[in-house]
Amino acid sequence: DTEVTQTPKHLVMGMTNKKSLKCEQHMGHRAMYWYKQKAKKPPELMFVYSYEKLSINESVPSRFSPECPNSSLLNLHLHALQPEDSALYLCASSGVLAGTYNEQFFGPGTRLTVL
Amino acid sequence: AQKITQTQPGMFVQEKEAVTLDCTYDTSDQSYGLFWYKQPSSGEMIFLIYQGSYDEQNATEGRYSLNFQKARKSANLVISASQLGDSAMYFCAMREETSGNTPLVFGKGTRLSVIA
Repeated sequence: DTEVTQTPKHLVMGMTNKKSLKCEQHMGHRAMYWYKQKAKKPPELMFVYSYEKLSINESVPSRFSPECPNSSLLNLHLHALQPEDSALYLCASSGVLAGTYNEQFFGPGTRLTVL
Repeated sequence: AQKITQTQPGMFVQEKEAVTLDCTYDTSDQSYGLFWYKQPSSGEMIFLIYQGSYDEQNATEGRYSLNFQKARKSANLVISASQLGDSAMYFCAMREETSGNTPLVFGKGTRLSVIA
């Protein structure tokens, strides 16, 4: 199973709402990533988890709160977002062995619209 | 710091022709990987091909080949026999490989349009 799943596919939320994005993989990968992608731009890294611990936070505002409850699951909790946070949110996973080819497998993304 | 440059915002190619998408990179790392991803309008990032910095032969995957010129720091993607379904955004990316979970750094992308 070389699949990363993301739910929901689409999400519309108001600025006062609290919502969560979910990402799941069953490839035994111990690194998981959140990327944000605005229209016509490349993906930008938000967070990296390695062995369920946060290893990289790219100075993301605290209204985005990641969580990695186990090695297969990655969540992104959203609270008090702004309209400019509307984007495609991509989750990815990969192996963690150094010095080897570690392809990142991407999920289909969640298209988020903040009203 | 790593940097990827894709200088072609958009490209057109006739169906069944070959096309080359340019990618240059900059890094001080000795061990790194270069990747190409395809992103259709639906949004998913589809892995196409990988080249390791120590690989001496150019990578090939079906109709995709990577023209790796290490001295020039270029990693161009060649798509042979273009198909209408190849119309998409194409991203070149790299990551250093001295540790395991370093994230990808992406170029700005090239939008490829295949014409019938």
